[in-house]
Amino acid sequence: SAVISQKPSRDICQRGTSLTIQCQVDSQVTMMFWYRQQPGQSLTLIATANQGSEATYESGFVIDKFPISRPNLTFSTLTVSNMSPEDSSIYLCSVSRQGNTDTQYFGPGTRLTVL
Amino acid sequence: GENVEQHPSTLSVQEGDSAVIKCTYSDSASNYFPWYKQELGKRPQLIIDIRSNVGEKKDQRIAVTLNKTAKHFSLHITETQPEDSAVYFCAASPIRTGTASKLTFGTGTRLQVTL
Repeated sequence: SAVISQKPSRDICQRGTSLTIQCQVDSQVTMMFWYRQQPGQSLTLIATANQGSEATYESGFVIDKFPISRPNLTFSTLTVSNMSPEDSSIYLCSVSRQGNTDTQYFGPGTRLTVL
Repeated sequence: GENVEQHPSTLSVQEGDSAVIKCTYSDSASNYFPWYKQELGKRPQLIIDIRSNVGEKKDQRIAVTLNKTAKHFSLHITETQPEDSAVYFCAASPIRTGTASKLTFGTGTRLQVTL
């Protein structure tokens, strides 16, 4: 499987600020996704990061709140904007390798706490 | 959209016993069913997956069964060990040629293997 890293691994932020999370993969991948995992809960897909075009957002998630970039086949960012305590979660990126478009592998996650 | 239900939410077994976790899904178009294991503070790790052209798949102590007619699939862990203690998530998605699948996750099962 691909080696996936995320930065930062954790952060504590103030209400009203924004945080950008980076996801880096060691090889080119077909697809990249961003998930949210609230404390003690399951994983919820935020959006699919499309290379060279706008991300595809799931119901309940909007671009103004979670802008996403994917400038190439190995890198993506998720920004959590105008944060509130309800945004406190673990944010995970996942990737699907070229040639195996269904298997997804997860990054280590970013633990975000909003005060 | 797809809806995945998972039972039980918690499961406690004695070391050496078997554990079974069950999931049902709603979308008949779903044809890919992975299982992830998440240890505390760690990323979800793919442990086994099954596609709809297969009814059962085994990997050492882990097996998954799929009943497409009834829309349910199950994870079986035999000879459980303390290191099997974790949260297990099932997921479902359709496989579409040329794009990666969007996974819908179950709510998770916390497995505790006691000595």
